[in-house]
Amino acid sequence: AQKVTQAQTEISVVEKEDVTLDCVYETRDTTYYLFWYKQPPSGELVFLIRRNSFDEQNEISGRYSWNFQKSTSSFNFTITASQVVDSAVYFCALSEEVRDNQGGKLIFGQGTELSVKP
Amino acid sequence: DSGVTQTPKHLITATGQRVTLRCSPRSGDLSVYWYQQSLDQGLQFLIQYYNGEERAKGNILERFSAQQFPDLHSELNLSSLELGDSALYFCASSRQPGNSPLHFGNGTRLTVT
Repeated sequence: AQKVTQAQTEISVVEKEDVTLDCVYETRDTTYYLFWYKQPPSGELVFLIRRNSFDEQNEISGRYSWNFQKSTSSFNFTITASQVVDSAVYFCALSEEVRDNQGGKLIFGQGTELSVKP
Repeated sequence: DSGVTQTPKHLITATGQRVTLRCSPRSGDLSVYWYQQSLDQGLQFLIQYYNGEERAKGNILERFSAQQFPDLHSELNLSSLELGDSALYFCASSRQPGNSPLHFGNGTRLTVT
């Protein structure tokens, strides 16, 4: 069965601190995709990144970086020099292998609520 | 703006009633997914449509049904509503299942009183 675990329910940091959000996943598929989404207080779900299972290169986008390690089934997300606007709930998600246009649904972790204080 | 439009934004109704939530996917996206977000269950996948056909079902109750129309918009029908159905309902769309990320609408917040 596929599963995503975000063990950190809430994290609170002070502005400019670096923070890492953990994500561990379980799947039997050899082809899969991993995602991070941000849900700010306004409620929408904002896509941040997608990674496929064959690409273990770390990615950096501005203050955001992602560390994908297949050996530990982890896909962690780091925000460098956090800002108040980063306060949100962050979801890690796993997408199964797609067959015949069936699938592609996301299995979400429970989310980590990040609070960045000024 | 994700390009996915959901209406209405808020819905308040009574137990036993029936409501319809509407979703317009991003231009060019053929696949539509419905999710329910509640405090106790988190984000739960309900159902997926691809080009008008149902493709996958998740934890969708029998009281709920959905369809995708020829113009690719989708509707989620919730009937015999119960207090526990109060949640945020998201629609998401993607170009091709698995090959592109899901882009989510802003959700419809349903309150059942």
